[in-house]
Amino acid sequence: EAAVTQSPRNKVTVTGGNVTLSCRQTNSHNYMYWYRQDTGHGLRLIHYSYGAGNLQIGDVPDGYKATRTTQEDFFLLLELASPSQTSLYFCASSDLDRGPEQYFGPGTRLTVL
Amino acid sequence: GEQVEQRPPHLSVREGDSAVITCTYTDPNSYYFFWYKQEPGASLQLLMKVFSSTEINEGQGFTVLLNKKDKRLSLNLTAAHPGDSAAYFCAVSEPGYQNFYFGKGTSLTVIP
Repeated sequence: EAAVTQSPRNKVTVTGGNVTLSCRQTNSHNYMYWYRQDTGHGLRLIHYSYGAGNLQIGDVPDGYKATRTTQEDFFLLLELASPSQTSLYFCASSDLDRGPEQYFGPGTRLTVL
Repeated sequence: GEQVEQRPPHLSVREGDSAVITCTYTDPNSYYFFWYKQEPGASLQLLMKVFSSTEINEGQGFTVLLNKKDKRLSLNLTAAHPGDSAAYFCAVSEPGYQNFYFGKGTSLTVIP
């Protein structure tokens, strides 16, 4: 089973602050994803990547940047955080060659005051 | 693009009763179908997966039915117990396309 870890698990920042959320997967999956989860909206895809140096735009990318530095590591950057970005963020990974299932990390709860 | 509608958003049943959660989708090319379970305060865990044609999968007290003609996916819980209380999400994707389209989720409460 895929192992996906996220840090930090909880983060509080102020409006206008910079935040970086980290995700690491250790099963050599090629695809990685960032989602946000909000009540009434389910999971919404922010950005995803199919390899180091690659970045694809998801469904709700505004206000977010992402960077895939290695096959294992995928970062989500909020450069000017706003209260509307208060949410629960999940990272996930998958591999097209081994099956389409996505495996999720434990989540990061971000609060923007 | 694909639209996935999940019903009901909230479901409360008594222990031992059955429960049914349904997702409908719009894209006839959708090929992979998943159900995820999210316990309170936890991450999403893959519960079951169904591929391609009309198919029934059973396991962990759940049955998944896929009807591609009607573009409908259902998760049937035959005898609920309190440990089944969680949020359940369906997800749909296309072959060769790694992105998922998620339903908005169903919050299931099983009353002892």
